[in-house]
Amino acid sequence: ENVLTQSPGTLSLSPGERATLSCRASQSVIRSYLAWYQQKPGQAPRLLVYGASTRAAGTPDRFSGSGSGTDFTLTISRLEPEDFAVYYCQQYVTSPWTFGQGTKVEIK
Amino acid sequence: QVQLVESGGGVVQPGRSLRLSCAASGFMFRHYGMHWVRQAPGKGLEWVAVIWSDGSNKIYADSVKGRFTISKDNSMNTLYLQMNNLRDDDTAMYYCAGDGGSMPFDPWGQGTLVTVSS
Repeated sequence: ENVLTQSPGTLSLSPGERATLSCRASQSVIRSYLAWYQQKPGQAPRLLVYGASTRAAGTPDRFSGSGSGTDFTLTISRLEPEDFAVYYCQQYVTSPWTFGQGTKVEIK
Repeated sequence: QVQLVESGGGVVQPGRSLRLSCAASGFMFRHYGMHWVRQAPGKGLEWVAVIWSDGSNKIYADSVKGRFTISKDNSMNTLYLQMNNLRDDDTAMYYCAGDGGSMPFDPWGQGTLVTVSS
């Protein structure tokens, strides 16, 4: 099983600041089949980025993904009020599909 | 529009069974592999099971293997999860999600809540 570890657990920032979220895999993620999801309270997860760096339809360009192998990053260039949420990384190349434990981005 | 709508959740006693449904619309359901993902209260996301687009292959998480069965009716555009011998730690919101073939999970349903309690 490819275990994904996200850091930090919680990120306390103000609107307008830059957020950097990390996802580290225990095994290399083949073909960079790594996705990021956003989840707000009471809602289902929403796909933001896939293939490590491709924004999904409707994802604002302030969100950017990068990385390869075992180290991946989601960057939010300038936080908007609607960006405060929990973010999960996921590898979707091998069974079992695995998620990181999540990073909560909260208002400072 | 693209939509997945889960149903069938509720409160059930340990050891009993429940069947969840996920109705799809707005996309070519028969071309999509489908997953169930669950989220215990206040916790993260846990993948549960997958079924190939044509139903030819099914894979389960170790935590549900032998107790849960995933199935797919392409004529009815509906995904199912039969859950038997339910345990307290199966309590969670259950989401269905589509997979267009070696793709991330998209779309997602809104979830149905399963509570296992005596």
